[in-house]
Amino acid sequence: QVQLVQSGAEVKKPGSSVKVSCKASGDTFGSYGISWVRQAPGRGLEWMGGIIPLFGPANYAQKFQGRVRITADISTSTAYMDLNSLRSEDTAMYYCARAYSTTGDEYFDSWGQGTLVTVSS
Amino acid sequence: SYVLTQPPSVSVAPGQTARITCGENNVGKSVHWYQQKPGQAPVLVVYDDSDRPSGIPERFSGSNSGNTATLTISRVEAGDEADYYCQVWDMTSDQGVFGGGTKLTVL
Repeated sequence: QVQLVQSGAEVKKPGSSVKVSCKASGDTFGSYGISWVRQAPGRGLEWMGGIIPLFGPANYAQKFQGRVRITADISTSTAYMDLNSLRSEDTAMYYCARAYSTTGDEYFDSWGQGTLVTVSS
Repeated sequence: SYVLTQPPSVSVAPGQTARITCGENNVGKSVHWYQQKPGQAPVLVVYDDSDRPSGIPERFSGSNSGNTATLTISRVEAGDEADYYCQVWDMTSDQGVFGGGTKLTVL
């Protein structure tokens, strides 16, 4: 079982950027995918993008193309999600999750605790 | 883009059976289900249409037929009250897709 621990809550100004980290333990980091999923207050889950650290590069949802960057550092077993040009609508809980598959249809079997990002002037 | 449709809400009395559907464009794809309680991260309860991760009660089961996948919760308990999300992986675009979520209320 993989454990994922995320960095702490952030408060950001509109137009700025945020970087959230996700440190993994309990399995061989790099051999499985890490995805980022966000949830705005009172809303549903939204897949943002993902990466398989050993293979890269990251793949992004069209909605976030050009504004998000997902990277991973195998030496520290840590994945990162950078979101720039922040606006109030980006206020949300951001989760990292391990993407696993036996058939090619990936699912998320371990989740971080979430990082609340608040965008406010 | 890919769309998964879920009913916004389902209500059931304790001890009864709850069924939550996830529909449209499922053909050929495995469907996965998550439970999310307030203030908590989602938890995988069913994967690959009908498999259960270790630690998930047998009361949770899944099926996928035609265009509709169904999460069935038997002998519903108060502790099952939560939001439930279905999810597929679109291998064409290599992207994850979630349904809009269903709020399960235990009466």
